[in-house]
Amino acid sequence: DAKTTQPPSMDCAEGRAANLPCNHSTISGNEYVYWYRQIHSQGPQYIIHGLKNNETNEMASLIITEDRKSSTLILPHATLRDTAVYYCIVRVINTGTASKLTFGTGTRLQVTL
Amino acid sequence: KAGVTQTPRYLIKTRGQQVTLSCSPISGHRSVSWYQQTPGQGLQFLFEYFSETQRNKGNFPGRFSGRQFSNSRSEMNVSTLELGDSALYLCASSRRDRNTGELFFGEGSRLTVL
Repeated sequence: DAKTTQPPSMDCAEGRAANLPCNHSTISGNEYVYWYRQIHSQGPQYIIHGLKNNETNEMASLIITEDRKSSTLILPHATLRDTAVYYCIVRVINTGTASKLTFGTGTRLQVTL
Repeated sequence: KAGVTQTPRYLIKTRGQQVTLSCSPISGHRSVSWYQQTPGQGLQFLFEYFSETQRNKGNFPGRFSGRQFSNSRSEMNVSTLELGDSALYLCASSRRDRNTGELFFGEGSRLTVL
């Protein structure tokens, strides 16, 4: 799986958009970008994933650059409940190893009033 | 539908003892994977079970083992506990046949080894 680089921490005011960057310059053509988050003392929660097109769901939007070397997770209106560690993971979709995720250190997002 | 259920949520053991943790996956999910989370090493993959067979294994010693039952429920066991085994143990379930990398995690079992 390709290596990812994320800033260790970020702050965001409640109600504003939170833009979390992820660098994955060595990504291969068949590797997807996944985002998970972990709220304190809970298990990680899947947020979104994509290959090359921008993706949006009820939780967030994922913007992947045209060269696929970086991406941004956007929480459009951050709330205090979005305070968590956000993990960017790059991997091939393979049913044989799909459950073997490699988590890095992530970005600790602090949403403030 | 009910989420992934892990028991017990908290437990304290002493060095040398063994521990068994339990995980009930989401109904219909046949793949169960286990992760260890420590402050020093972060989240690390332990192993995955599907159809009662271990399918993938992380880089952990043989003291860590698991099994899966016909109803997809899984247990993991750690024998001869060491202080470094103190961690949050997380279980995740998924539909392996259409697995898109979306795992559903439980809240974990927090093990403290004294």
